[in-house]
Amino acid sequence: AQSVTQPDIHITVSEGASLELRCNYSYGATPYLFWYVQSPGQGLQLLLKYFSGDTLVQGIKGFEAEFKRSQSSFNLRKPSVHWSDAAEYFCAVVRLMNSGYSTLTFGKGTMLLVSP
Amino acid sequence: KAGVTQTPRYLIKTRGQQVTLSCSPISGHRSVSWYQQTPGQGLQFLFEYFSETQRNKGNFPGRFSGRQFSNSRSEMNVSTLELGDSALYLCASSWGQGSTEAFFGQGTRLTVV
Repeated sequence: AQSVTQPDIHITVSEGASLELRCNYSYGATPYLFWYVQSPGQGLQLLLKYFSGDTLVQGIKGFEAEFKRSQSSFNLRKPSVHWSDAAEYFCAVVRLMNSGYSTLTFGKGTMLLVSP
Repeated sequence: KAGVTQTPRYLIKTRGQQVTLSCSPISGHRSVSWYQQTPGQGLQFLFEYFSETQRNKGNFPGRFSGRQFSNSRSEMNVSTLELGDSALYLCASSWGQGSTEAFFGQGTRLTVV
């Protein structure tokens, strides 16, 4: 079954430093992959998505992610982190259910802390 | 264009009671999905409705149910509340042609005491 693993529960980055959040997926075919961000007490906001084509995708707020089929990874990156980026980040994959319809399956999330 | 609206934002209920949460999707969206988010289990899929029909269901007990109305608004109901039902309940809407892009509401924080 399709699944997503985010190996890091917490990551602390200094403001202005670069960021990479890891995501590994399990899926037989080309997956539909997403990164969402959640600020405390809020819902999820879509940062970027990958369906096909160019393996480097650009998202909002200066984020990008690279799809690497050989490594089953879809890591999120940002060259320079701002204090406002502190939040929880979720990687997700579209999963096919027994019904024949699909839904989103999320990783456990990575909490990003930004130090001054 | 208005986003996904969930009401109420916060709710406190007593064990054994039932609760109904509401979700109004983005105008034109026909699919509504519900998720439960807890610190221990993360985001877990509850169910999805499309055109008033339940299309997908996650692995939750029958105490969790939902429905969708002709205007695409959706409600979820939890009966005989347990302490473990305390969670953030998130609703997401999409056009309906597969969950390729979902837009989330701010959630309803349910606390069971």
